[in-house]
Amino acid sequence: DAGVIQSPRHEVTEMGQEVTLRCKPISGHNSLFWYRQTMMRGLELLIYFNNNVPIDDSGMPEDRFSAKMPNASFSTLKIQPSEPRDSAVYFCASSSGVGTSGKGPYNEQFFGPGTRLTVL
Amino acid sequence: DAKTTQPTSMDCAEGRAANLPCNHSTISGNEYVYWYRQIHSQGPQYIIHGLKNNETNEMASLIITEDRKSSTLILPHATLRDTAVYYCIVRVAFSSGSARQLTFGSGTQLTVLP
Repeated sequence: DAGVIQSPRHEVTEMGQEVTLRCKPISGHNSLFWYRQTMMRGLELLIYFNNNVPIDDSGMPEDRFSAKMPNASFSTLKIQPSEPRDSAVYFCASSSGVGTSGKGPYNEQFFGPGTRLTVL
Repeated sequence: DAKTTQPTSMDCAEGRAANLPCNHSTISGNEYVYWYRQIHSQGPQYIIHGLKNNETNEMASLIITEDRKSSTLILPHATLRDTAVYYCIVRVAFSSGSARQLTFGSGTQLTVLP
C-alpha cells in the first residue's frame, strides 16, 4: 500500500495567487481529514469528510479556503487568494473507521507526508 | 473531548525505557486514550490506544491508571529514531463506519540521547 499521497510536497507562491493541494487517501478508507500545522498554532483540523461528504468544516479559517472530495480516491484543498499567513504544512489523513487491531472501531488515522506551503 | 496535560519535553538515553506521562483528569467513561507521534518533518503516526486495560503492541505499551485520570506511554528500548513529539489524545469512541476528528495538543518532545 502506498499510503496517503499528497501533492505537491512543496509549494512556493506569491500572495494573491490560487493554491491547490491534492490528496489521495488509502484505498478503502471512508474518512478523510485536512490538517494544518504551524509553529504558533500546532496541528489544527481544517475539515473532514465521511464517505465523500463534508462533516465538519468549522476549522476552515475563512472563505478563502475550500475543500472538495469528488470521489473516494481524491480530495483537494484550495486557497484563493493566498496570503502569507497561510504559510504552513498541510497534512491529509485518512481512516477506515474500523481500525487494524481487531479490537473493533477506533480512530487510527494515517497521515500523508504533508505539503509545505510558503506564500511570499 | 477531555483535555490532556503532558510535559513539554523529556530526554531519554538510547536503549533505556522512555516513560511519557499524560494527565487526563476529566476523562469520561466512554473516552479512549490515544497516542500518536510525529517525527520531524513527517505526518503524525498512530502508536497505540486503550480504554481502561493496559495495552501493548509492537511499538509501545500503554499503562492506564485504575481511575483513568492518567496514563503512561512506554517505549521499552528507545532508539534515536524514536526522537519525536508524542501526543496524548482523549476522545470518545465512535460508531462503526464513521470517524471523528482528533484534537492534537502541544505534545511532549522526546529526545533520545546517544
